[in-house]
Amino acid sequence: GQNIDQPTEMTATEGAIVQINCTYQTSGFNGLFWYQQHAGEAPTFLSYNVLDGLEEKGRFSSFLSRSKGYSYLLLKELQMKDSASYLCAVREWSNSGYALNFGKGTSLLVTP
Amino acid sequence: EAEVAQSPRYKITEKSQAVAFWCDPISGHATLYWYRQILGQGPELLVQFQDESVVDDSQLPKDRFSAERLKGVDSTLKIQPAELGDSAMYLCASSLTSGRNNEQFFGPGTRLTVL
Repeated sequence: GQNIDQPTEMTATEGAIVQINCTYQTSGFNGLFWYQQHAGEAPTFLSYNVLDGLEEKGRFSSFLSRSKGYSYLLLKELQMKDSASYLCAVREWSNSGYALNFGKGTSLLVTP
Repeated sequence: EAEVAQSPRYKITEKSQAVAFWCDPISGHATLYWYRQILGQGPELLVQFQDESVVDDSQLPKDRFSAERLKGVDSTLKIQPAELGDSAMYLCASSLTSGRNNEQFFGPGTRLTVL
């Protein structure tokens, strides 16, 4: 995860919109994933981008710019249950196949 | 809905003891991954299996960690002896293949505390 950067913590208000940014550096890029992880639980898949542009999925959207090495996750109409860690993960090609490298995660706190 | 199973969910042990974790991937998934996640960090890959073969164990501390997937189905990760710094969440994930369309599905994890 040393080549993947995302903010450590963010706070937002219920009902608001929040954008979580992720920048990365890699030589074998093959897709970018966002996972949600509640405290003490396993990561769950949110979104996948391999081409430039915006992917929308309900309240969550994810954007990718490969030339800039940049992605963001956009969460709309925030709910208290959205308080969680959001992990940016880059899939890279290696000798053993495709591997996922995770960032350190962004801890999002949604307040009333 | 098919899930990755892990056991135990929680393990408390003393340093220098041996511990073992078990993972049963989603049926039919050829690729199995063990990750270690230290509190406040993202998951780090320890070992990756393709069927029963290890394809990447470059980040596995081989002096104390071992992993096996003898029949290409379930897998065991062992630590012997455990050290204080091994306290972490150990996550197992599986995917259909290691190819391009290989969404990884994570198990609930085993939280290890070494005293």
